[in-house]
Amino acid sequence: SQQGEEDPQALSIQEGENATMNCSYKTSINNLQWYRQNSGRGLVHLILIRSNEREKHSGRLRVTLDTSKKSSSLLITASRAADTASYFCATGSGGSNYKLTFGKGTLLTVNP
Amino acid sequence: SQTIHQWPATLVQPVGSPLSLECTVEGTSNPNLYWYRQAAGRGLQLLFYSVGIGQISSEVPQNLSASRPQDRQFILSSKKLLLSDSGFYLCAGTATGELFFGEGSRLTVL
Repeated sequence: SQQGEEDPQALSIQEGENATMNCSYKTSINNLQWYRQNSGRGLVHLILIRSNEREKHSGRLRVTLDTSKKSSSLLITASRAADTASYFCATGSGGSNYKLTFGKGTLLTVNP
Repeated sequence: SQTIHQWPATLVQPVGSPLSLECTVEGTSNPNLYWYRQAAGRGLQLLFYSVGIGQISSEVPQNLSASRPQDRQFILSSKKLLLSDSGFYLCAGTATGELFFGEGSRLTVL
């Protein structure tokens, strides 16, 4: 079963606009991660936010985490055509048997 | 840096034939390793994970199996493929909690 659910499923914007994607999850987590996948390729890790953090930045990326609402958001500012990809959130369970559970992803299209 | 090499990139196999997908890891020792499957337009389904040599945990019942004969080698196998085994298979690893992925293997079973 999938822990994270991204919203919206698809998002189309113009270059220069900001893109916001949301993720909701169901159970307690140690951390939440966002990944990017270009069509037909492997996933690339973008950012990790721990359960005791509320906000994190990395370049044009801003991630927020609200553990009371069991939700996270990924904001990409000043989007570029090269940002076109699928974005996935993943929730991590701790311990030696560490596993990440992925949502279905948001397909972001940035039009030039 | 941590890298996963995964092959073959593309595979077309008849129903009932065997399967072997392999990945090797560079840049880290004793990683946790994972096999995910991704159906078209869907998220990633965790199939197997391994915390060490010879240690395999299966997440879903299926006709696939996994093996880890060496610390940095992870193999996905099947003795007889089904049509439903078609999909995009991704090998991933972690030593820090952040996964790094291979480029994937696209399997089509006809």
